[in-house]
Amino acid sequence: QEQLVESGGGEVQPGRSLRLSCAASGFTFSSHGMHWVRQAPGKGLEWVAVIWYDGSNKYYADPVTGRFAISRDNSKNTVYLQMNSLRGEDTAVYYCVRWGDEKTFDSWGPGTLVTVSS
Amino acid sequence: DIVMTQTPLSSPVTLGQPASISCRSSRSLVHSDGNTYLSWLQQRPGQPPRLLIYKISNRFSGVPDRFSGSGAGTDFTLRISRVEAEDVGVYYCVQATQFPWTFGQGTRVEIK
Repeated sequence: QEQLVESGGGEVQPGRSLRLSCAASGFTFSSHGMHWVRQAPGKGLEWVAVIWYDGSNKYYADPVTGRFAISRDNSKNTVYLQMNSLRGEDTAVYYCVRWGDEKTFDSWGPGTLVTVSS
Repeated sequence: DIVMTQTPLSSPVTLGQPASISCRSSRSLVHSDGNTYLSWLQQRPGQPPRLLIYKISNRFSGVPDRFSGSGAGTDFTLRISRVEAEDVGVYYCVQATQFPWTFGQGTRVEIK
């Protein structure tokens, strides 16, 4: 059974940085693209970033372009999200999501909460 | 960006009765490969989302057959044939036809 577990969330001041990690198990990690999707408190889902299975391509949502960077280490079955210049509007639960067959978000981690506040 | 609009935003339903959620996209979701990458997700209270339906009408592994999807082009529907207590939560449509991937605003299903 595939499993995704995020870590690295917490409270941080505006302008500071944070790095999220997502450890994957139970499937062939190096065969799947991986996404980060976030959900602000009481709000809906917002796609943040994606990285191809081999790391060859990376794409970002406009609100985070130039501030966030997605990466992966297939030897460690882990995907990362480096978040710089954090703003209050980045406050959200960040989910790590597997890019499944047929272009699906087919497996989700429990999420990690990032709070940006002074 | 493709805008996904769901209606209603809230749906009070009696146990055992059907429920229906509509999702409309601002542009056709037919991909150049001929497929339509429209999925439905369920988010129960306090839990992460989970995949229910993909490519309009295909149930994901383990999803009960009371859930069904239909539609084409820009108009899509998720139906629950007989709502059970465990179906309470928020349902999202999401398109993966065109970058960036976009979600509907969510529809809350609650028991009357």
